[in-house]
Amino acid sequence: SQQGEEDPQALSIQEGENATMNCSYKTSINNLQWYRQNSGRGLVHLILIRSNEREKHSGRLRVTLDTSKKSSSLLITASRAADTASYFCATDYDSGAGSYQLTFGKGTKLSVIP
Amino acid sequence: EAQVTQNPRYLITVTGKKLTVTCSQNMNHEYMSWYRQDPGLGLRQIYYSMNVEVTDKGDVPEGYKVSRKEKRNFPLILESPSPNQTSLYFCASSFAGAGSGEQFFGPGTRLTVL
Repeated sequence: SQQGEEDPQALSIQEGENATMNCSYKTSINNLQWYRQNSGRGLVHLILIRSNEREKHSGRLRVTLDTSKKSSSLLITASRAADTASYFCATDYDSGAGSYQLTFGKGTKLSVIP
Repeated sequence: EAQVTQNPRYLITVTGKKLTVTCSQNMNHEYMSWYRQDPGLGLRQIYYSMNVEVTDKGDVPEGYKVSRKEKRNFPLILESPSPNQTSLYFCASSFAGAGSGEQFFGPGTRLTVL
């Protein structure tokens, strides 16, 4: 399976601290996306980074991609209690037939303590 | 409001009783997909559709059927549900393939098969 693996599985930090989550995957990809899920709800797209990009920013989010190591990281700066959620990376592997399938990792559960 | 809707949101049924979970999007998206989410396994793709009358299997298609007769609707059919299909199900849609851009997720359907 192409499934990505997030690390750590769970992370607990104080409000105001930075949170870093990592994702590793197995084969070449077209794109990598990060999603957030609040308890039992639908996933919300955070950011997409293409295989030819190394870093991308969106507000308090910073995503890096290292295709040589097949890994990505998501950094949330100045965390807030509202950031408490599970975070998933999703990879679109390069099958040569178009980007029709996303494979999700198992997620990192982030708890931000007020 | 742009959204993906699913019905029902909660369903308890018995083994073997056929059921359909509906999914509808109002964003004129070509791509739609079904996922199931189980503890410790993350999200796994069941089926996806690239356009009307075009569907393909995801990673865990056994025991499920889909159809795409209209662009906005993508129902998930369980012909003979079994307890191992107890799960949280999500429908998602996007303009292009899953890996090409933001996936919009529905709120989820929690299914219990007794």
